[in-house]
Amino acid sequence: QLQLQESGPGLVKASETLSLTCTVTGGSISSNDYFWAWIRQPPGKGLEWTGSIYYSGSAYYNPSLKSRVIISLDTSKNQFSLKLSSVTAADTAVYYCVRQSYFYYYMDVWGKGTTVTVSS
Amino acid sequence: QSALTQPASVSGSPGQSITISCTGTSSDVGTYDYVSWYQQHPGKAPKLMIYDVINRPSGLSNRFSGSKSGNTASLTISGLQAEDEADYYCSSYTSSSTLVVFGGGTKLTVL
Repeated sequence: QLQLQESGPGLVKASETLSLTCTVTGGSISSNDYFWAWIRQPPGKGLEWTGSIYYSGSAYYNPSLKSRVIISLDTSKNQFSLKLSSVTAADTAVYYCVRQSYFYYYMDVWGKGTTVTVSS
Repeated sequence: QSALTQPASVSGSPGQSITISCTGTSSDVGTYDYVSWYQQHPGKAPKLMIYDVINRPSGLSNRFSGSKSGNTASLTISGLQAEDEADYYCSSYTSSSTLVVFGGGTKLTVL
């Protein structure tokens, strides 16, 4: 059974870089059937797509974050990562790593989520 | 402001049916059958309930169904149960500059 687990600092200072890693177990991130995505949810608010990456390394980002976000793959460790630079309080959120269908775009496996707070 | 529009809240009594709408544009819901729905209980990760407008993941109750007409997709829950009380989000592929868009979410209250 495929499982995803987020890891990384729960507290990041404003203007610094948020870095999270998602470890995938029970399946390979090298599958050509899926994207690997990050979704975030600010406190009390809705879901926001951050970006998705394909096993080839092609990545797609939310334009509202595009200049600050990088998603990468480490196939040797079966992990993918999120880096978000120049963070502000608005980046405080629960961050979920997700498996996303490459052909149909739905998100069928979610990590439990990790809370990241940006402090001033 | 979310790209897809959902009602902020809906409610129903146990045993009743409710429908949650999700309105987009010709760049997303109106053109592509890549609409999905997610259920989220407080403090939990979202769970896929419907994909490709009408399909249910294996093992999911057939009380949940999806449909689409024009630029509006809908999630219907029949035979409401207390455990259906949750937030529900729609999502769609979009041909605009993003890959996918979400609705703002709908809080379902079972009275």
